[in-house]
Amino acid sequence: DAGVTQSPTHLIKTRGQQVTLRCSPKSGHDTVSWYQQALGQGPQFIFQYYEEEERQRGNFPDRFSGHQFPNYSSELNVNALLLGDSALYLCASSWVRRRGSTDTQYFGPGTRLTVL
Amino acid sequence: AQTVTQSQPEMSVQEAETVTLSCTYDTSESDYYLFWYKQPPSRQMILVIRQEAYKQQNATENRFSVNFQKAAKSFSLKISDSQLGDAAMYFCASVLGDSNYQLIWGAGTKLIIKP
Repeated sequence: DAGVTQSPTHLIKTRGQQVTLRCSPKSGHDTVSWYQQALGQGPQFIFQYYEEEERQRGNFPDRFSGHQFPNYSSELNVNALLLGDSALYLCASSWVRRRGSTDTQYFGPGTRLTVL
Repeated sequence: AQTVTQSQPEMSVQEAETVTLSCTYDTSESDYYLFWYKQPPSRQMILVIRQEAYKQQNATENRFSVNFQKAAKSFSLKISDSQLGDAAMYFCASVLGDSNYQLIWGAGTKLIIKP
């Protein structure tokens, strides 16, 4: 049973560039959430996608955008990168039992983004 | 607003002994879920245990168990027979459920296992 996968593992970008991170959910899951984790801190919620729509968003600027595809995989895009965007980006998947509900989130290995 | 607090930045325990990690939370909702996740040096976030707020029975998963005190808004994790592989950051997290899907996280507790 394949778990949550993320690509790439590591990424180095320079300020002002744009980056795309990818996530494939665990088999049977239909919902994808993205989190940002700075070193030494707990994760911060960026947004969650369900049925190809963003159904909740955390306190992140519009530079952070996402997409969910019909096969439930997802992308996180960050434009105009800042030094402060350097972090571990975690993707989590879950299965929505009914509209409006939530369930346990299972995490991928993360993508480590460094902005120089 | 929903908050999660872990007051122990670091804990240490002798191998094979028992350790308890503390977590308190604050919410005005009656329906929510609580989790403990483990993050080893690889930084992969691994689910340890889950508790639904409506269940009075404390969740257990092998050597891991929780003490869920709903009135006190406390959710501690007990690790029995500690093993070297248990060394990691442990995060307590909560999610409200209906129409609020984000995990709210504590700051984490670093667990050190002494051989």
